[in-house]
Amino acid sequence: QIQLQESGPGLVRPSQTLSLTCTVSDGSISSGGYYWSWIRQHPEKGLEWIGYISYLGNTYYNPSLKTRINMSVDTSKNQFSLNLNSVTAADTAVYYCARPMAASTKDAFDMWGQGTMVTVSS
Amino acid sequence: DVQMTQSPSALSASLGDRVTITCRASQSVGRWLAWYQQKPGTAPKLLIYEASSLETGVPSRFSGSGSGTEFTLTISSLQPDDFATYYCQQYDSYWTFGQGTKVEIK
Repeated sequence: QIQLQESGPGLVRPSQTLSLTCTVSDGSISSGGYYWSWIRQHPEKGLEWIGYISYLGNTYYNPSLKTRINMSVDTSKNQFSLNLNSVTAADTAVYYCARPMAASTKDAFDMWGQGTMVTVSS
Repeated sequence: DVQMTQSPSALSASLGDRVTITCRASQSVGRWLAWYQQKPGTAPKLLIYEASSLETGVPSRFSGSGSGTEFTLTISSLQPDDFATYYCQQYDSYWTFGQGTKVEIK
């Protein structure tokens, strides 16, 4: 079954852009029509869905973050990426990439990356 | 925006206890409700989807029920591996999570 792996800097300066990549292995990002998502978890707190991108590049972002987000997909590398700009300490969190069970926005997430901790600090 | 509220936020229980966690949605989500288990330093693990369907490989002591705005997760007999934090999630309107319920050893 597929595996997801996040990568990117663990430290980002305030006001800069947080950039993360999720690499999909043991499966193609282009098959199945899935909505590849980013989810974050603030320290000792709950989970927040950030947004999704399809392999065709269709996106939908959480309205609370949409003015600062850009997602992209590179099917040749089997990767999708998150850019979050103008970061503050409030963006410090563990960032996960994840995939729903089926090619639908009405489905739970059964595939998750291991998560990557990003700290926003000067 | 659909808000999800879990109760309690934490509970202490003993091995073998029956444990119930409640999740309420701010509006009806039908049966589009999932439950996850998370242990420190790991990603959430899907336990239940569509309110009551058990994910493959999840022990049968876990069960879910409910529809509309009120849902429950029940662990029929708490085992050592079950001490963790549990989250509900609605996926009727994109995805939002509850704040979590931490299950601790009494």
